[in-house]
Amino acid sequence: NAGVTQTPKFRVLKTGQSMTLLCAQDMNHEYMYWYRQDPGMGLRLIHYSVGEGTTAKGEVPDGYNVSRLKKQNFLLGLESAAPSQTSVYFCASRPEAPNTEAFFGQGTRLTVV
Amino acid sequence: DAKTTQPNSMESNEEEPVHLPCNHSTISGTDYIHWYRQLPSQGPEYVIHGLTSNVNNRMASLAIAEDRKSSTLILHRATLRDAAVYYCILTPYSGAGSYQLTFGKGTKLSVIP
Repeated sequence: NAGVTQTPKFRVLKTGQSMTLLCAQDMNHEYMYWYRQDPGMGLRLIHYSVGEGTTAKGEVPDGYNVSRLKKQNFLLGLESAAPSQTSVYFCASRPEAPNTEAFFGQGTRLTVV
Repeated sequence: DAKTTQPNSMESNEEEPVHLPCNHSTISGTDYIHWYRQLPSQGPEYVIHGLTSNVNNRMASLAIAEDRKSSTLILHRATLRDAAVYYCILTPYSGAGSYQLTFGKGTKLSVIP
């Protein structure tokens, strides 16, 4: 199994450009998450989803949109990128239960210039 | 939501045991205690979790205080590969908080050869 796969791994954007980050999981997990991690900081939750067709805001949702049209995919969109969105983005998934293990992707390093 | 407190950093000598503490004095009776770690330039990975009883797996042991207000992650024999940031996370059994995994800043463990 591939687990959690993030696409792309690296990207440089100009201020104002848009892009979509793709997270794909092959474990049939209900819950999926998008986090960002700034240098020297812990992970902060951007948005999450508890099932196909549902999304919810996390701690730092401003400037991002998400969609979960298929259970295995969770998309993170930046409509108008800003330098403050330069970060490493991690996707995660886990089954529907509080005592289960979450699986993380390897991250997407995004630089906005 | 209950919060956790961890030391910012710890050091250990290679091949010695490591005890990583976590305080969660406001934990509720149904909060699970999870530990994740993040190796340099990688996404977090699951280490262990528990509710009331001590837990062991191939990676580590989790010792939970009788009053559940603190827990300790035990690495029995530290290796250089164990150098990482270790996160202690509480997950409610039910409710909106059960969907989320909220990361703090964690403890940065350095392993000295």
